[in-house]
Amino acid sequence: QSVLTQPPSVSAAPGQKVTISCSGSSSNIGNNYVSWYQHLPGTAPRLLIYDNNKRPSGIPDRFSGSKSATSATLGITGLQTGDEADYYCATWDSSLSAGVFGGGTQVTVL
Amino acid sequence: EVQVLESGGGLVQPGGSLRLSCAASGFTFSSCAMSWVRQAPGMGLEWVSGLSGSGGATYYADSVKGRFTISRDNSKNTLYLQMNNLRAEDTAVYYCAKEGPTRHFDFDYWGQGALVSVSS
Repeated sequence: QSVLTQPPSVSAAPGQKVTISCSGSSSNIGNNYVSWYQHLPGTAPRLLIYDNNKRPSGIPDRFSGSKSATSATLGITGLQTGDEADYYCATWDSSLSAGVFGGGTQVTVL
Repeated sequence: EVQVLESGGGLVQPGGSLRLSCAASGFTFSSCAMSWVRQAPGMGLEWVSGLSGSGGATYYADSVKGRFTISRDNSKNTLYLQMNNLRAEDTAVYYCAKEGPTRHFDFDYWGQGALVSVSS
């Protein structure tokens, strides 16, 4: 059971938008920055969003992040078949003095 | 070009030990916090352990505390994970990850992973 809660899966048609939620608590999301990763098993995870809503260079603006209180959200617009992957949120947990990842969300392009 | 490359994975019996290494290049290694993150078969990503650039501060997930030790040799640009008393549930791909410049627990570069299998 992950400290951060994500929906197991989301799906949408090409060109549409999906949002992925990440729910935590005051000891993690509520008082720390959130990052988001795209991962295809067997490959290196890819940083999509850091500091809640910033994109590293090379990440298209179709990907966006936001945070409110103890929850964070990743949005993907203009969905493409290449976006099919697992997506994870992550943050530091000040009570645990440990890093935590969400359980992951599988994105399917219909 | 930033690169991190894991090595040292393999098959080990329950109760055994293994040491993973992560060779880094293309950035000032001693200035960057590093972590190990793993993915067990069919499961999600799990943060395992992390340490500061100097190596003076170390952190562990409860699942490995007391069994795993993270360390680094900044003269060799190498990160290590010593894994003792291994259990079947430690079977996973282990990734080495470099923390980004904001130092807010975000990982901007990852290795390709090293497979650790714990089985008799």
